[in-house]
Amino acid sequence: ETGVTQTPRHLVMGMTNKKSLKCEQHLGHNAMYWYKQSAKKPLELMFVYSLEERVENNSVPSRFSPECPNSSHLFLHLHTLQPEDSALYLCASSQDRFQGEDGYTFGSGTRLTVV
Amino acid sequence: EDQVTQSPEALRLQEGESSSLNCSYTVSGLRGLFWYRQDPGKGPEFLFTLYSAGEEKEKERLKATLTKKESFLHITAPKPEDSATYLCAVQAWYGNKLVFGAGTILRVKS
Repeated sequence: ETGVTQTPRHLVMGMTNKKSLKCEQHLGHNAMYWYKQSAKKPLELMFVYSLEERVENNSVPSRFSPECPNSSHLFLHLHTLQPEDSALYLCASSQDRFQGEDGYTFGSGTRLTVV
Repeated sequence: EDQVTQSPEALRLQEGESSSLNCSYTVSGLRGLFWYRQDPGKGPEFLFTLYSAGEEKEKERLKATLTKKESFLHITAPKPEDSATYLCAVQAWYGNKLVFGAGTILRVKS
């Protein structure tokens, strides 16, 4: 399988639940990203990983916890979320964190609903 | 702070009616400006990267241009399958992230 794969595609969770989002890329890229997309708002960067090291945390609340065990996998662990955290969570990868001619490759996202 | 503003917010065209989308940006040293297309329920799909003022790139019915303050995405003789949200993003030389605009929702009716 090629490209960036995100699972699950849809997730409904209560405010007291703990869940994880998974992202996998088979492109040989060295940088991976989590973005949040809310309705009618720009994509909002959450985290940047380069060679499995977190290089940016864009003031994200601690109820979101990223993990990058290797250059092909990225997780976003969720706990005690709020209804306003409901959004489309997008994972992306690129050859390196300084971009490049081919841009980012995005996954299809996980549609998260917090009830 | 790097900023991207896209206009219009939404655009409805008849099939074959050419038009342009605008992306205005402020960034302290532009490394690159990027255009993406996003279909409902999917992640953004990369279209173009532009690096310097005066640069142009084309792909089928789309042409992207860049000046020092803005970029245009020209759509020539659009078809219904061109309907999507078009996103613009910039990256600064000192940064390792893309800053996105809110997008333009394009609807092309046959």
